[in-house]
Amino acid sequence: DAGVIQSPRHEVTEMGQEVTLRCKPISGHNSLFWYRQTMMRGLELLIYFNNNVPIDDSGMPEDRFSAKMPNASFSTLKIQPSEPRDSAVYFCASSFGREKLFFGSGTQLSVL
Amino acid sequence: DAKTTQPPSMDCAEGRAANLPCNHSTISGNEYVYWYRQIHSQGPQYIIHGLKNNETNEMASLIITEDRKSSTLILPHATLRDTAVYYCIVRVPGGGSNYKLTFGKGTLLTVNP
Repeated sequence: DAGVIQSPRHEVTEMGQEVTLRCKPISGHNSLFWYRQTMMRGLELLIYFNNNVPIDDSGMPEDRFSAKMPNASFSTLKIQPSEPRDSAVYFCASSFGREKLFFGSGTQLSVL
Repeated sequence: DAKTTQPPSMDCAEGRAANLPCNHSTISGNEYVYWYRQIHSQGPQYIIHGLKNNETNEMASLIITEDRKSSTLILPHATLRDTAVYYCIVRVPGGGSNYKLTFGKGTLLTVNP
């Protein structure tokens, strides 16, 4: 298995632009998580899906952030409009039955 | 999740055992101890978890004290590639709303040649 696949690996954009991050979880996993990592705040859970349904989005910073999981093999995290304070590494992780989490390599987002 | 306390940094000589401590004095009876690590520029990686018995796998050993208030992750023969931030997390696996894996600041382990 290729593991959790995230794209793009790096994204540089200007303030106000829309940003879409993509994630392909491990086949057969039924839970998907989006995390954000910054030096100041460390790793923060943004949203959690179970069986493609958003269960808890309390970690989503504000309405500019949205996440979807249209099927078991794909999820997106969208920021619109983006702001410089959104600059961070965004990780996607998947698991089966909420046991071990497997993380992707992350997307390094820079908003200028 | 119960709060954990880890030293911010540790050093270890290559080839020696690395012993990473974690205090979790408020752990409840059904909470497990999980260890993850994050190598620079990569996503966190699961290492091991346990409830009260010592556990060992191909990566590491986990020693949990009898009162479960602390644990130690042991890397028996540390290599340079083990340099990473190590996170100790306590949580109830599966079930209910206990799905969150909450990461603290962890311990930066530096393995020196």
